[in-house]
Amino acid sequence: DAKTTQPNSMESNEEEPVHLPCNHSTISGTDYIHWYRQLPSQGPEYVIHGLTSNVNNRMASLAIAEDRKSSTLILHRATLRDAAVYYCILRGNNAGNMLTFGGGTRLMVKP
Amino acid sequence: DVKVTQSSRYLVKRTGEKVFLECVQDMDHENMFWYRQDPGLGLRLIYFSYDVKMKEKGDIPEGYSVSREKKERFSLILESASTNQTSMYLCASNDGPYGYTFGSGTRLTVV
Repeated sequence: DAKTTQPNSMESNEEEPVHLPCNHSTISGTDYIHWYRQLPSQGPEYVIHGLTSNVNNRMASLAIAEDRKSSTLILHRATLRDAAVYYCILRGNNAGNMLTFGGGTRLMVKP
Repeated sequence: DVKVTQSSRYLVKRTGEKVFLECVQDMDHENMFWYRQDPGLGLRLIYFSYDVKMKEKGDIPEGYSVSREKKERFSLILESASTNQTSMYLCASNDGPYGYTFGSGTRLTVV
């Protein structure tokens, strides 16, 4: 499986935008970029995914580099409830392709 | 919204006991998964299932088995619980290439 690299931790101030980076230089043409987050004492939660174009949903935006070797999850206005571990995961398009979790980025949000 | 329900939030069992962890999803998803999560090791896939009565080993199946007699229910079985199986267990479901939905987890302690 292609691997991803994320910073171990990041800090943000409340109500400011947060840009969470992810490097995936060995991504293949059919790999989707998925983002999940895990709040304390909960299971992971799907955030967003994309293939080539930037994607927006109610939770976040996903900016994908033109060469697809990196991506950035954007939280437009961080709240204290966004403090979580954020995982960037590559997944193939087939149903048989699993989610393989790495270490993720622990986001801390300061009031 | 898709819901994945794990039968117990916390469980304490004795070494050598047979333990059943139950997971039910309500959106007719084809695929179901069992992960365990340990500090420093992240989430690791134990078993998954693409269909009723079908199962595939994940990365760490030793000491576990699974059962999927109905589409909505996926059970994880610890045949003879050991202390090294003390962990957080997470169930998930999905369809095709789309995002996974996780349950809230079962924190199992084996004493």
